[in-house]
Amino acid sequence: EDQVTQSPEALRLQEGESSSLNCSYTVSGLRGLFWYRQDPGKGPEFLFTLYSAGEEKEKERLKATLTKKESFLHITAPKPEDSATYLCAVLGSGGSNYKLTFGKGTLLTVNP
Amino acid sequence: EPEVTQTPSHQVTQMGQEVILRCVPISNHLYFYWYRQILGQKVEFLVSFYNNEISEKSEIFDDQFSVERPDGSNFTLKIRSTKLEDSAMYFCASSERSPPYEQYFGPGTRLTVT
Repeated sequence: EDQVTQSPEALRLQEGESSSLNCSYTVSGLRGLFWYRQDPGKGPEFLFTLYSAGEEKEKERLKATLTKKESFLHITAPKPEDSATYLCAVLGSGGSNYKLTFGKGTLLTVNP
Repeated sequence: EPEVTQTPSHQVTQMGQEVILRCVPISNHLYFYWYRQILGQKVEFLVSFYNNEISEKSEIFDDQFSVERPDGSNFTLKIRSTKLEDSAMYFCASSERSPPYEQYFGPGTRLTVT
């Protein structure tokens, strides 16, 4: 069964203080790893898809990277509006074609 | 920018009652999903739907649950006889192409069973 573990559970940064969020995963054949942002009481908002080790994607202050065992979401010079829960999800090839398996997320708070 | 919409935003129901949660996926999308998130827990997959039939369902999606695409725009989740443990946020998602193409989520319906 696919498993996703995110760390840390919560992260508090000062505005401008760069950091990284970790997503460790176990799948039998990774078909895709997805990063989402979730604001309180809202649905997950799609950020990135990564398909293979070594791949990187960037969007504004966010950069996602992927290895064979984990993914990192790097946040450069964050602003208070980056405060949210960041979710990692995987799609494996071990019997499920459609099911995304999510981690519990990292709650990021950026203080001004 | 096109987005998935869901109604109602909040539904309160009594145990044993039937509820229908409604979703309008992004218009050119072909793959549809329901997920749920119990407060403080992970987002969990319930069911996927393609070409007017269920393509995959989780162990959570038992006989009390059903899905339907009654017309060309709506996608519904019905819970036949709600239980207290069905209280959760229910998210509809849609995807333009088959996995591993990204899934776009709606804002959710908060279901409270009393």
